[in-house]
Amino acid sequence: NAGVTQTPKFQVLKTGQSMTLQCAQDMNHEYMSWYRQDPGMGLRLIHYSVGAGITDQGEVPNGYNVSRSTTEDFPLRLLSAAPSQTSVYFCASSSDSKIDEQYFGPGTRLTVT
Amino acid sequence: GQSLEQPSEVTAVEGAIVQINCTYQTSGFYGLSWYQQHDGGAPTFLSYNALDGLEETGRFSSFLSRSDSYGYLLLQELQMKDSASYFCAVRGGNNRLAFGKGNQVVVIP
Repeated sequence: NAGVTQTPKFQVLKTGQSMTLQCAQDMNHEYMSWYRQDPGMGLRLIHYSVGAGITDQGEVPNGYNVSRSTTEDFPLRLLSAAPSQTSVYFCASSSDSKIDEQYFGPGTRLTVT
Repeated sequence: GQSLEQPSEVTAVEGAIVQINCTYQTSGFYGLSWYQQHDGGAPTFLSYNALDGLEETGRFSSFLSRSDSYGYLLLQELQMKDSASYFCAVRGGNNRLAFGKGNQVVVIP
């Protein structure tokens, strides 16, 4: 099993550009989440999904969209990038019976100039 | 909403014991979990407590007191590879995980 994969690993965007961060898991997990991690801020939940076709907002959803058309994939879209979105983004997944035991992808380091 | 408090940094020598504390506020409560993150890496799951008491997993133990909204992670027989950040995360009634800001542990020879 590859676990949770994320692409790209690194990305530089200009203010106003849009892009999609990809996340996929091969563990048949129902629950998937996106977090951002900034220095000294811990992990903050952006959006999450409890299954295909179901998504919900987390703590910091503004400026981001998600969709969940399959169990495996959970892409995160930045609509119009801003410097405040410079961060490390982690995707995670878990089974719905063990939500607290989340498996994280390797992360995407995004810089917005 | 949910909030968590964790102190920021601890330095300890190899072989020592370190306790990392976590207090939380949440509406509804499902459990408290702990994650380890090495510099430049992704968080990895360590342990989970849903009920009061101590859970032991090798050199690491985690404790929960629901009445005090408090938990701790105990790292025993510290090794150099334990140098990392440690996060507590609470799952509240909204069924979402909320992470604390983390506690950096530095192990010195």
